[in-house]
Amino acid sequence: EPEVTQTPSHQVTQMGQEVILRCVPISNHLYFYWYRQILGQKVEFLVSFYNNEISEKSEIFDDQFSVERPDGSNFTLKIRSTKLEDSAMYFCASKEGLAGVIRDTQYFGPGTRLTVL
Amino acid sequence: AQTVTQSQPEMSVQEAETVTLSCTYDTSESNYYLFWYKQPPSRQMILVIRQEAYKQQNATENRFSVNFQKAAKSFSLKISDSQLGDTAMYFCAFYNTNAGKSTFGDGTTLTVKP
Repeated sequence: EPEVTQTPSHQVTQMGQEVILRCVPISNHLYFYWYRQILGQKVEFLVSFYNNEISEKSEIFDDQFSVERPDGSNFTLKIRSTKLEDSAMYFCASKEGLAGVIRDTQYFGPGTRLTVL
Repeated sequence: AQTVTQSQPEMSVQEAETVTLSCTYDTSESNYYLFWYKQPPSRQMILVIRQEAYKQQNATENRFSVNFQKAAKSFSLKISDSQLGDTAMYFCAFYNTNAGKSTFGDGTTLTVKP
């Protein structure tokens, strides 16, 4: 069964450094997402992406964050200057499309644990 | 904005028994989906079951079923014949089809005891 994959599984970085988290969505999916989960807290929406542009973003997704689909398979989240509070699990998700719960279901990757020191 | 409430932070059940996890939500939307995701210690988010708001029939997936009460805005998950591998955090999620994003509850940690 196709899966969303994410690399790396764990990233440790120093405060102020840039990080890029990578995701490979399911191949026929058209909508892509990033969520994050701070340890012990709920999963929070960051951004959605469709047709090479951001569809929606939360207040968390400020100018320090950016997303890109550099080629036909990867979907990346960049944090320009990491802060301690960026430490969290970051989940990528993708879905096929609209119209019906099966196509509209988000499938999540295994997550990247980001630790900012 | 939608809110999702899971009122049981922790639950436990004996192996082979049945357990029900509760979830309520608040929305003014008429078209939406509801999901339960399982998050084992590995922290991967695994889809358990999904429900379309306009369908009255409750979704079932093997040992997992839901009790969807649209008027009450309730979406509980029933796990039958609990297995040790069901031990995980369970998240209820509301998917807003207009906004195209999910809102998650705080999660319920389920422990299945041998």
